[in-house]
Amino acid sequence: KQEVTQIPAALSVPEGENLVLNCSFTDSAIYNLQWFRQDPGKGLTSLLLIQSSQREQTSGRLNASLDKSSGRSTLYIAASQPGDSATYLCAVKGGAGSYQLTFGKGTKLSVIP
Amino acid sequence: ETGVTQTPRHLVMGMTNKKSLKCEQHLGHNAMYWYKQSAKKPLELMFVYNFKEQTENNSVPSRFSPECPNSSHLFLHLHTLQPEDSALYLCASSQEPGGRALDEQYFGPGTRLTVT
Repeated sequence: KQEVTQIPAALSVPEGENLVLNCSFTDSAIYNLQWFRQDPGKGLTSLLLIQSSQREQTSGRLNASLDKSSGRSTLYIAASQPGDSATYLCAVKGGAGSYQLTFGKGTKLSVIP
Repeated sequence: ETGVTQTPRHLVMGMTNKKSLKCEQHLGHNAMYWYKQSAKKPLELMFVYNFKEQTENNSVPSRFSPECPNSSHLFLHLHTLQPEDSALYLCASSQEPGGRALDEQYFGPGTRLTVT
């Protein structure tokens, strides 16, 4: 069974700081990895999708990396802003014979003005 | 807006009630999903429909009954629920499931369900 772990569970940083969120997964036979953002009481917004053959993806101030062989991904957020405050979820597609997404519990980020 | 809508956004129901959740996608996708998000737990996949056919049921209790009349609409019928079923229920869609690496899921805003 694929398992996804996100560390830390919560993170509080001052505005302007660069930060890294971590995601690890147990089965490296994945098709892709997605990072999502979830605001309180809301649905999920896809931020970045990395195919299994890719090493990283970038969108604006966000950069996600993937090391499939070691089962790790990081989401780097540059020059954090209060509007970045949300829960960030990592999900992997595939692994353990499944085609479906397996999610981590998320990292709750607070950016302090 | 992601192109996936859900109604109602909030629902309070008693354990003996029957209610339905509705999801609609405007993206021309062929696959639709129901997920459950409980406090302090990861999102759990409940059901998958591909081209209106149910292709996955993750050992969900029979008090949850999905229905997919066409590729754009998905329902979750609820009856005799338990308080532990209180959660955020999320619908998602994708072009199609399976092994395609580019297959990205788009999520709706969710229905916050409270069972009293």
